[in-house]
Amino acid sequence: DAKTTQPPSMDCAEGRAANLPCNHSTISGNEYVYWYRQIHSQGPQYIIHGLKNNETNEMASLIITEDRKSSTLILPHATLRDTAVYYCIAQSKAAGNKLTFGGGTRVLVKP
Amino acid sequence: DGGITQSPKYLFRKEGQNVTLSCEQNLNHDAMYWYRQDPGQGLRLIYYSQIVNDFQKGDIAEGYSVSREKKESFPLTVTSAQKNPTAFYLCASSIDHASGWETQYFGPGTRLLVL
Repeated sequence: DAKTTQPPSMDCAEGRAANLPCNHSTISGNEYVYWYRQIHSQGPQYIIHGLKNNETNEMASLIITEDRKSSTLILPHATLRDTAVYYCIAQSKAAGNKLTFGGGTRVLVKP
Repeated sequence: DGGITQSPKYLFRKEGQNVTLSCEQNLNHDAMYWYRQDPGQGLRLIYYSQIVNDFQKGDIAEGYSVSREKKESFPLTVTSAQKNPTAFYLCASSIDHASGWETQYFGPGTRLLVL
């Protein structure tokens, strides 16, 4: 799986959009970009994933650059309950579906 | 209510003792996984199983064992050979491996402490 790089932490104001960057410059053509988040002492929660096109669901939007070397997770209106560690993962089927979690970005949403 | 359950929430182990962590899912998922998480760290894969009666070692399988006798159950045993078992253990499952969609869904976790 391609290595991903995320900032270790970031703050966000409640009600504003949170933009979480992720670099995956060595990503290969068959690797998807997945985002999970983990609220303290809970299991990770799936947010969204994509291959080439931008994706949106009820939780977030995922913007993938045309060269696929980076992506941005957007939480459109951050709430205090969005405070969590956010993990960006590049996963290939050849890796046997093993998710490789890095350090993630610790997001603190402030009132 | 569909989902993944793990029990117990907290587990204490004495030196030299084997303990078993339970993971059950009613999502009809084929694949199941066990991860270990140490404080402030990401998750590391211990074992995974893509089908009943078959499982594969992950990145840190030493000192652990698993079984997959039923589709909905994937128990993890932490043996006495695991010298540093204190951690947060997470179980996950995913839909049909062959379909190409591998989103993993996680249980609430079991925190194991050594006395």
